[in-house]
Amino acid sequence: NAGVTQTPKFRILKIGQSMTLQCAQDMNHNYMYWYRQDPGMGLKLIYYSVGAGITDKGEVPNGYNVSRSTTEDFPLRLELAAPSQTSVYFCASSYFPGQGGYGYTFGSGTRLTVV
Amino acid sequence: GNSVTQMEGPVTLSEEAFLTINCTYTATGYPSLFWYVQYPGEGLQLLLKATKADDKGSNKGFEATYRKETTSFHLEKGSVQVSDSAVYFCALSDPLGTSYGKLTFGQGTILTVHP
Repeated sequence: NAGVTQTPKFRILKIGQSMTLQCAQDMNHNYMYWYRQDPGMGLKLIYYSVGAGITDKGEVPNGYNVSRSTTEDFPLRLELAAPSQTSVYFCASSYFPGQGGYGYTFGSGTRLTVV
Repeated sequence: GNSVTQMEGPVTLSEEAFLTINCTYTATGYPSLFWYVQYPGEGLQLLLKATKADDKGSNKGFEATYRKETTSFHLEKGSVQVSDSAVYFCALSDPLGTSYGKLTFGQGTILTVHP
C-alpha cells in the first residue's frame, strides 16, 4: 500500500527554470492538496482539487499551476522558478473532508531549492 | 478567517517528563481539530483528532481535549520518550463544510527529548 507518493525527494533549480513536482495516490481519494512548508511558518495551501478535472487556488497560488486529469495524479508545475519558492512541498489526499474529521494522508515531501 | 496559534518552540525535555503544547484557534462555528506529527525527514502523520466540543482525541499516549469555551486544543503526554522528538502541528478544518477539507495549520512546535 503506497499511499501518497511524491517525486522527486530533492531538487535544486536555477532561477527561471521550470519543473513539475509529481504526486500520485492509490487510495481512490477524490480530494487532493498541495502545501508548502516554510521554516517557522507552518503549512500554506497552494492548490487543491475535489476530483478529476476540478482544481482551485489556495492561499499562495502565484507562480504555480496544477492539473488533475485522473483521480490518482495531481502534479504541481513551477514556471520561472524564483528564490521565494525555496521550500518543502507536500502533497496530501483525503477521502472525505470537512466536519467528518477525516485527516489527510501526506506524501513524504519534495525539498526544493532555487538558486 | 480561520487561524491556529501554537506555543513558540523549540521545546526541550528530558525523558519521562510531562509534555504540554498549547494550541488555540479562531474560527466561526465548530471546526474539527487535529494534531499532526512530523518525524525527521518524513511527511506529516495524523496523531489525533476531535470533531466536537468536549471530545478527547488520544493516540500513542498523547491526548487533547476540544475546549470550545477557551477555543483550545492543547496536546499533552504524561511521559515523553526520545522517540517522540518531532515537529507537532495543530490544525483545523473549516466548520462550514464548504472548504473541501482544506486545513489551516499552526506554525509547528519542535520537540526534542533527551535521554
